Formats: sequence, C-alpha cells, structure tokens
Amino acid sequence: GAVVSQHPSWVICKSGTSVKIECRSLDFQATTMFWYRQFPKQSLMLMATSNEGSKATYEQGVEKDKFLINHASLTLSTLTVTSAHPEDSSFYICSANSGTQYFGPGTRLLVL
Amino acid sequence: GESVGLHLPTLSVQEGDNSIINCAYSNSASDYFIWYKQESGKGPQFIIDIRSNMDKRQGQRVTVLLNKTVKHLSLQIAATQPGDSAVYFCAERDTFTSGTYKYIFGTGTRLKVLA
Repeated sequence: GAVVSQHPSWVICKSGTSVKIECRSLDFQATTMFWYRQFPKQSLMLMATSNEGSKATYEQGVEKDKFLINHASLTLSTLTVTSAHPEDSSFYICSANSGTQYFGPGTRLLVL
Repeated sequence: GESVGLHLPTLSVQEGDNSIINCAYSNSASDYFIWYKQESGKGPQFIIDIRSNMDKRQGQRVTVLLNKTVKHLSLQIAATQPGDSAVYFCAERDTFTSGTYKYIFGTGTRLKVLA
C-alpha cells in the first residue's frame, strides 16, 4: 500500500510554544490530506481537510487559528499547533488518499 | 449528526477461533467503507474495504460484510492469531455534491486474543 510518513513521531514542548507536524506522502501525490486527533482509548476525530494550494476546511469546533494547516505541495501538509497548552496533548494522525485512505504513523504531542 | 457506532467495545476470542466485529452506520448515503486495525501508539492500518454496491468482500483471513438494509458492517477474521490483538475501527466515507469527501470513524472495538 501507499506510504504516509509523519515527523516528528513524538514531541514534548512547553506551554505557550508552537509545534509543527509534517505529513508526507512518500510514493504518491495527494491533493487532499486529512488531520485527525485521537485521545487515549478513543476514536479518531477529524480536525480538518488539507487541500493543496487552497485553504484547509476545518470541522466544527476546531479553531483554525489554533491549528494552522499548510498544504504547499502535493506531497506535504503541515499542522502547526500554535501556543500549545496541556489540553492540546494528544496523538495527531494524518492521512492521504491513494485509491483508499492511508494513515501516517502518528505524532504524539505532550505539552507541559 | 451522522455517526458510526460499534456494538461491542471489547471482544475476547480464543486463539484459532473466528472473530466477528460489528459496526452500525447511520448515513445511508455513504458509498464506501473501510476497516482499520490500530495497534498501540501507531497509526491505523488498512485491512479491507468495500463499496456500497457490494455486500461481501474477502481478503486474506478477513471478510467484510455490508448489509445496507439495516446499515450494518462487519469484519470477520478467520483463525484469529495473537498478532490480531488491536483496536479495530470501521470508517464510512461521506461524499458531497462538490466531490469532496471525508471519513467518519466508529468508536472502535478492542480485540483480545486469548492463548
């Protein structure tokens, strides 16, 4: 199947700092990528749809100024958690479509 | 709103037995469904998919059944192995008139394989 990578795999940061997470499609091009967050023992919650060359589409309740998404190329989307707080600590996962939906390995964020 | 739910949050099966994981979906317009396996600390892994114009699809040791009449999806795993222990999610795809789409995930079922 298609390969989606994420970087970093985990990050610890201080409250108030910003964290950037990269999502790459390694062997295919993706005009659309998705960003999810997942709390322990819960399902995946869609945060936003990242569209190459245009603005992201955010789900209801997700602050676009808090979670900045940039999809500058057909193989890269980035999610920046701005002014992170402890409640932003979560597992962030991206996905991209190549025939079907493939997921990255996830990024675990811990905000102290 | 629309949702995809699962009947059983945890399923324990004996190694070698068959497993059946169920999922109920509520959007009758969903045109595509996927089953994912997620191991602890990892991203979801694609297992098998099925389109709405089908009612059954088989893979290696796995079978997905779709019953559109009652909006029910199931994943059958034959001869369950210890490596099958994970959380399983169903996902439905909602496609909009604009051509865009998004996936909605069920709550997940934890499968525990007993030795």
